[in-house]
Amino acid sequence: EPEVTQTPSHQVTQMGQEVILRCVPISNHLYFYWYRQILGQKVEFLVSFYNNEISEKSEIFDDQFSVERPDGSNFTLKIRSTKLEDSAMYFCARGGMNTEAFFGQGTRLTVV
Amino acid sequence: KNEVEQSPQNLTAQEGEFITINCSYSVGISALHWLQQHPGGGIVSLFMLSSGKKKHGRLIATINIQEKHSSLHITASHPRDSAVYICAVRSNDMRFGAGTRLTVKP
Repeated sequence: EPEVTQTPSHQVTQMGQEVILRCVPISNHLYFYWYRQILGQKVEFLVSFYNNEISEKSEIFDDQFSVERPDGSNFTLKIRSTKLEDSAMYFCARGGMNTEAFFGQGTRLTVV
Repeated sequence: KNEVEQSPQNLTAQEGEFITINCSYSVGISALHWLQQHPGGGIVSLFMLSSGKKKHGRLIATINIQEKHSSLHITASHPRDSAVYICAVRSNDMRFGAGTRLTVKP
């Protein structure tokens, strides 16, 4: 059974629409991370989330992005008004900064 | 400026060969990760290192903190080892190398 599960596996959305990407289910973990990988490019750190608060974020993680843990288990990444350049693979992970990282299988977001 | 540099970018080997992938970094780090990314996109953690050497089966990872360099070795390579291998370092946040695409031919 995977340590981290992401849904959906693939999402297509119109430019300007809001999308919510989910890590489900996760329990008893404090540290979570979101990363993104634009096709053909390297993985980039977006944000780390500790004990229900953002602990670190990159310059990519601007006001368009938000993270939540709405019900204590699901861990979501929201993009408010998607742009074409948001098309990428988005990975959720637990652990990873100074502990072993467990990645979800990723959500491929396509903005059209 | 790339803070994490991997070499080579691409590597083709024959089954059974010994493989080395290198990672150099230019920032102070608290940990270094080696990751494996499969063709479908999934990422698997292989190692987390802060010093010395670790071994899992046919995989060996080493790090030299003074030289800011790490290597990933694969002994007795197999076609199923074909993947992209990514070096990532924990600095202020997590910085990733561009990856090394390994193809092992039978």
